[in-house]
Amino acid sequence: EIVMTQSPATLSVSPGDGATLSCRASQSVSYNLAWYQQKPGQAPRLLIYGASTRATGIPVRFSGSGSGTEFTLTISGLQSEDFAVYFCQQYDNWPSLTFGGGTKVEIK
Amino acid sequence: QVQLQESGPGLVKPSQTLSLTCSVSGGSISRGSYYWSWIRQPAGKGLEWIGRVLVGGGINYNPSLKSRVSISVDTSKNQFFLRLSSVTAADTAVYYCARESGYWFPFDYWGQGTLVTVSS
Repeated sequence: EIVMTQSPATLSVSPGDGATLSCRASQSVSYNLAWYQQKPGQAPRLLIYGASTRATGIPVRFSGSGSGTEFTLTISGLQSEDFAVYFCQQYDNWPSLTFGGGTKVEIK
Repeated sequence: QVQLQESGPGLVKPSQTLSLTCSVSGGSISRGSYYWSWIRQPAGKGLEWIGRVLVGGGINYNPSLKSRVSISVDTSKNQFFLRLSSVTAADTAVYYCARESGYWFPFDYWGQGTLVTVSS
């Protein structure tokens, strides 16, 4: 099983500032990495797939980068609606797939 | 617009079988190369993929749950199902159904989730 490790567990950010979230895979997942945003009481929402492609309707302030084992989600100019939990997910190791433990982005 | 909706008992007794239904609207469950999955999330914790079905193409399970899980589909009702046997308190979670757009694709549509509590 590929283990996905996210850091930090919690990130305190002031509105308008940027945030950088990390996701590390225990073995290479190529570019088969997605990022999701989850707000309390809601299902996850797909933000990024293919490591760097924004999903439909996702604002340009969300960007993804990386390949292999190291990935980054960058949020520039955080808005109030961006404070949430973010998960990464690898879908390279078919048929199995795994999620990271999540990073909570909270208001500083 | 595809929509998924989970339904089923919110309370299951230990050692019994958890049964959930995912109803799909806005598109046929058997059209295209879509994979239909179950995912769960214990309170305050991360996401765990349970398994998936491709209509006419097979079923995959998380190896850690494989001995207790069964996923099936009813194309006439545009629904797919989850059965998890011999449940314990550790199976208490919000259960989601979701869609993958194909092989090597992420989850693009999710249901709202349903909380299942295992307790006597």
